[in-house]
Amino acid sequence: ETGVTQTPRHLVMGMTNKKSLKCEQHLGHNAMYWYKQSAKKPLELMFVYSLEERVENNSVPSRFSPECPNSSHLFLHLHTLQPEDSALYLCASSQDSSGRIDNEQFFGPGTRLTVL
Amino acid sequence: GQNIDQPTEMTATEGAIVQINCTYQTSGFNGLFWYQQHAGEAPTFLSYNVLDGLEEKGRFSSFLSRSKGYSYLLLKELQMKDSASYLCAVRYPSGGYNKLIFGAGTRLAVHP
Repeated sequence: ETGVTQTPRHLVMGMTNKKSLKCEQHLGHNAMYWYKQSAKKPLELMFVYSLEERVENNSVPSRFSPECPNSSHLFLHLHTLQPEDSALYLCASSQDSSGRIDNEQFFGPGTRLTVL
Repeated sequence: GQNIDQPTEMTATEGAIVQINCTYQTSGFNGLFWYQQHAGEAPTFLSYNVLDGLEEKGRFSSFLSRSKGYSYLLLKELQMKDSASYLCAVRYPSGGYNKLIFGAGTRLAVHP
């Protein structure tokens, strides 16, 4: 596989469930990101990992817990979510977190999450 | 605070030209990106501007004026497959690394 992949593509969970979203990049990048995309709202940055170290937690509630075991994999662990957490969760990667000209972010297809 | 504005929706005719505007106010600036996102799919990179002026890439061009905090994406010879959301995003330095902030996107509908 190439690019950035995410599993599952769709997830329905109750408020008391625990689930995990998985992201894998095959681009040899060193930075990975989680974004939340709600209907008619801008993409919101949630977490940034650079060389497997979390460098940004954008005021995200503790019911979202990221994990980056290596530079190719990123997880988002979910527990006791609320209905307003229903959204598209996008993973992205880039060469690094610098401002180099060619350092664009590549996105995965996203996980459509519905919390009942 | 950081803010990006772009129109919510636009419509255009197949074969025509459309310009999607974006204005921004950010605490720093390290480049402006345009992404295309089809419904239910990942955003895909279209263009990048860091200096003032026009960048051309086939049917797509992007313009930047840093003094005005303004950019536009120009799409020529529109095709039905260009119906998508177009996201304007600004990269700025923050806390030792670079963050990307997105606008809400402009949903473009191309009609025959």
